[in-house]
Amino acid sequence: GAVVSQHPSWVICKSGTSVKIECRSLDFQATTMFWYRQFPKQSLMLMATSNEGSKATYEQGVEKDKFLINHASLTLSTLTVTSAHPEDSSFYICSARRRVILGTEAFFGQGTRLTVV
Amino acid sequence: GDSVTQMEGPVTLSEEACLTINCTYTATGYPSLFWYVQYPGEGLQLLLKATKADDKGSNKGFEATYRKETTSFHLEKGSVQVSDSAVYFCALFGIIQGAQKLVFGQGTRLTINP
Repeated sequence: GAVVSQHPSWVICKSGTSVKIECRSLDFQATTMFWYRQFPKQSLMLMATSNEGSKATYEQGVEKDKFLINHASLTLSTLTVTSAHPEDSSFYICSARRRVILGTEAFFGQGTRLTVV
Repeated sequence: GDSVTQMEGPVTLSEEACLTINCTYTATGYPSLFWYVQYPGEGLQLLLKATKADDKGSNKGFEATYRKETTSFHLEKGSVQVSDSAVYFCALFGIIQGAQKLVFGQGTRLTINP
């Protein structure tokens, strides 16, 4: 199956600093990438959808200025958590879809566990 | 808007028991439906999918049938194993407010005891 690589797998940062998470589709072109946040023992909450070459579409309640998403190429999307606070600590997961018609599954990265201290 | 509702967990069964995890959805169009599985310490993996009504997805002994009349996509397995212990997510992919989105249910934690 298609491979999506997410980096880093885990990161610890100090409050007030920024953290960048990368999501790469290794063997296919991803026109659409999704960023999710997963709280402990809870489901995945869609944060935003990014399309290559255009601005990301954020879900209601997600701060655009705090969670910066860039989808610069067909194989790379980045999520930057700016001025991180302890409440931003969570598990962040990206997924990528191929350039095909509706109905193809999304492929997931392994996730990034962010801890803000 | 489009949404997915899963049977609440956690679910604990003995090995070789029969499993059903309920999933129902609401959608304005014709979404594709998926079951994803997350094993302890790992990322999400696609378990099975169905893209139209009456389709049956199957994998690793698990099955789910896309029932449009009942808007359901229940996950079933006839005989579970300890290695099936994981969190299972039902998901819907469709056009929501003009954009393609993958929406997840709340997840069901399954524990299988030997």
